[in-house]
Amino acid sequence: DAGVTQSPTHLIKTRGQQVTLRCSPKSGHDTVSWYQQALGQGPQFIFQYYEEEERQRGNFPDRFSGHQYPNYSSELNVNALLLGDSALYLCASSSLLDGWDTEAFFGQGTRLTVV
Amino acid sequence: RKEVEQDPGPFNVPEGATVAFNCTYSNSASQSFFWYRQDCRKEPKLLMSVYSSGNEDGRFTAQLNRASQYISLLIRDSKLSDSATYLCVVTPGSARQLTFGSGTQLTVLP
Repeated sequence: DAGVTQSPTHLIKTRGQQVTLRCSPKSGHDTVSWYQQALGQGPQFIFQYYEEEERQRGNFPDRFSGHQYPNYSSELNVNALLLGDSALYLCASSSLLDGWDTEAFFGQGTRLTVV
Repeated sequence: RKEVEQDPGPFNVPEGATVAFNCTYSNSASQSFFWYRQDCRKEPKLLMSVYSSGNEDGRFTAQLNRASQYISLLIRDSKLSDSATYLCVVTPGSARQLTFGSGTQLTVLP
């Protein structure tokens, strides 16, 4: 059973560019959340997708956007990249059961470096 | 003030030692509590959920004090393989996102 898979694993972009990160959830999961983890910090919640809609959003600017497809896979897009966007981007998948999210499983992350 | 605060660490302990991590959270409406473990340059993985009654999983014991908004993790008989960053996590109220502390780095020395 494949867990959560993310691509690419590493990426280098220039300031001002745009980037798209991809995530395939664990089999049986229908909810995808994205997190940003700066060096030495804990992950910070960006947003969560369920049924192809953004269900919840953290304190991130509109430059961060996402999408979920009918097969539950998801993309994170970041426009107008800033040096401060350099971080590990983590995708987590879970399911909704009786109104509660089940355990979240994380992918290995995409390490984005903005130069 | 951060929503979840942890001991800054790092903690360097000898094998066999007992080590305790503490965490406080600011949102009294928080409903679910967890400890995650993150190895260097890897993804976070759930170590254990934390319940008001306290819970134990082998050498690991987690405690929750809702009145003080305080969570703890105790690791007994530390192993080299316990070396990692330990992240305190809460789910605030009805929100579904995980809110992480900054993590405490543990190194177990031979």
